[in-house]
Amino acid sequence: DTAVSQTPKYLVTQMGNDKSIKCEQNLGHDTMYWYKQDSKKFLKIMFSYNNKELIINETVPNRFSPKSPDKAHLNLHINSLELGDSAVYFCASRPTGASYEQYFGPGTRLTVT
Amino acid sequence: AQRVTQPEKLLSVFKGAPVELKCNYSYSGSPELFWYVQYSRQRLQLLLRHISRESIKGFTADLNKGETSFHLKKPFAQEEDSAMYYCAPLKRTGRRALTFGSGTRLQVQP
Repeated sequence: DTAVSQTPKYLVTQMGNDKSIKCEQNLGHDTMYWYKQDSKKFLKIMFSYNNKELIINETVPNRFSPKSPDKAHLNLHINSLELGDSAVYFCASRPTGASYEQYFGPGTRLTVT
Repeated sequence: AQRVTQPEKLLSVFKGAPVELKCNYSYSGSPELFWYVQYSRQRLQLLLRHISRESIKGFTADLNKGETSFHLKKPFAQEEDSAMYYCAPLKRTGRRALTFGSGTRLQVQP
């Protein structure tokens, strides 16, 4: 049973297109995240939602818009894709409480050509 | 500025050799500290956290507040330890979100 899943796994698209990446967790967690991992393996937080409410919004271009239809889903929509958006995007979730163990999805490799 | 530094991008050792992956942080207060690991073709997962004082897969990490370090150690490396390792401090107050270091790739050669 996959705990945190992302679709698609790979996404190749052209500059200027709009695309979405979906994330779902079946762990009953309240908090979900999006991270970006660049080609140098730097892992940087982009957004965090708690119970469908945005709580962290890092300095990310407003072409990136997260959407949480319910607390089990956190989707990432990207408008007007640019070459620099090419990266691996990871979704993660964690339960409410003292533990800060985050459970990561398998990642979505986005390639913008 | 709050920062976490993993000075080595790549650490290559032979099987059976001791391993130390370095992590230094500059955070106000006393952050909680975590090590995450990403094995080839697997997802990122928690390896250990400093408050648990546990040993996982033979790895330990001691928080040194004087040196603001949280180095990850293992006395005898195994080939299956080859992976990407990330140090991640967490502030105890304010915005609670993990900040990941740049990662260190550990390569254990036979």
